[in-house]
Amino acid sequence: GESVGLHLPTLSVQEGDNSIINCAYSNSASDYFIWYKQESGKGPQFIIDIRSNMDKRQGQRVTVLLNKTVKHLSLQIAATQPGDSAVYFCAETGGGKLIFGQGTELSVKP
Amino acid sequence: DTGVSQNPRHKITKRGQNVTFRCDPISEHNRLYWYRQTLGQGPEFLTYFQNEAQLEKSRLLSDRFSAERPKGSFSTLEIQRTEQGDSAMYLCASSSDRAPQHFGDGTRLSIL
Repeated sequence: GESVGLHLPTLSVQEGDNSIINCAYSNSASDYFIWYKQESGKGPQFIIDIRSNMDKRQGQRVTVLLNKTVKHLSLQIAATQPGDSAVYFCAETGGGKLIFGQGTELSVKP
Repeated sequence: DTGVSQNPRHKITKRGQNVTFRCDPISEHNRLYWYRQTLGQGPEFLTYFQNEAQLEKSRLLSDRFSAERPKGSFSTLEIQRTEQGDSAMYLCASSSDRAPQHFGDGTRLSIL
């Protein structure tokens, strides 16, 4: 069936380093992808999105890369800060509902 | 605050009772979604509305669950005869043609 999954369930990085969070998706018909950040006790917070007609999109300190050939999505966070500590989810959609993966917990060491 | 608002934030109830949650979306968003999230998992889709029309329901949404969006603005999610397995975080999101889904902070339901 359709699924979105993450390769690494936990990631620990040093403050100031760059972080890379990976995601695999299985539905080649999906045309829109979103990364969310979720802090404890809060709802998912939109970070950045990308459509299937793009390979890369940059935001403030974040970059999303999409490789449709291998159905892979990644989120790069530059100069990771303690405030970036959270669970990160990728989500895909082909219209309407979002399908989420399990999430990666990012821990930033000072 | 112009984000998605959910009430209550926490609900504790006894098994067998009925509960109702409310979601107020971002005002210019015409689509509204309900998701359920359990510990350590990503949110799972339950149902969604475009304006007042309920367009899709997940198989997760048993007969005990009902959602409404009577005027195309706020929405309610009711669970009848709650069971232990209903304990979860219930999340609401809204979107439009020009905006991706933005989530509220959810209602955490605990069944005693």
